[in-house]
Amino acid sequence: DIQMTQSPSSLSASVGDRVTITCRASQDIRNDLGWYQQKPGKAPKRLIYGASSLQSGVPSRFSGSGSGTEFTLTISSLQPEDFATYYCLQFNSSPLTFGGGTKLEI
Amino acid sequence: EVQLVESGGGLVQPGGSLRLSCAASGFTFGSHWMHWVRQAPGKGLVWVSRISADGRFTDYADSVKGRFTISRDNAKNTLYLQMNSLRAEDTAVYYCARGSPGDWGQGTLVTVSS
Repeated sequence: DIQMTQSPSSLSASVGDRVTITCRASQDIRNDLGWYQQKPGKAPKRLIYGASSLQSGVPSRFSGSGSGTEFTLTISSLQPEDFATYYCLQFNSSPLTFGGGTKLEI
Repeated sequence: EVQLVESGGGLVQPGGSLRLSCAASGFTFGSHWMHWVRQAPGKGLVWVSRISADGRFTDYADSVKGRFTISRDNAKNTLYLQMNSLRAEDTAVYYCARGSPGDWGQGTLVTVSS
């Protein structure tokens, strides 16, 4: 199974900050990675697909980069509505595997 | 607009069975792979199973293999998850999702407890 190591597990930040979240895959997954945002009691929402493509309707302050085994999600200027938990997901091979999550807090 | 609506969750005793449904609308259901993903209370997301667009290929996490069965009825635009031999550790919100996956339902809670 491909392990997805996500860091940090939690992050304290302020409105306007630039933040970066990282996922490392245990083997090459090309660019078969998505990033998701989840707020309490809600379903996950995909932000990024194919490692770097912005999902329609998602603000441009979100961006993704990387390929192979190292991936990052960057939020260029945090807004109040961005405080949530973020997950990466690899869909290169079965079983699909999520990172452990990053809780972004004020 | 893509809509995925799960149903069928509830309280079940250990060893019991439950069948979840996911009603799809707003897209050509029979053209897309579908998934089930679960989230135990206070925990992270865990992929459970997937099924190909035509239903011929299915795939499972080791933790549910042999106990859960994914299926679909493309004529009814509905995805299913038959869950047998349920355990306490299967307690979670179960989400259906489309594609890679991009679109998600709102989830249905399954509680396994005596």
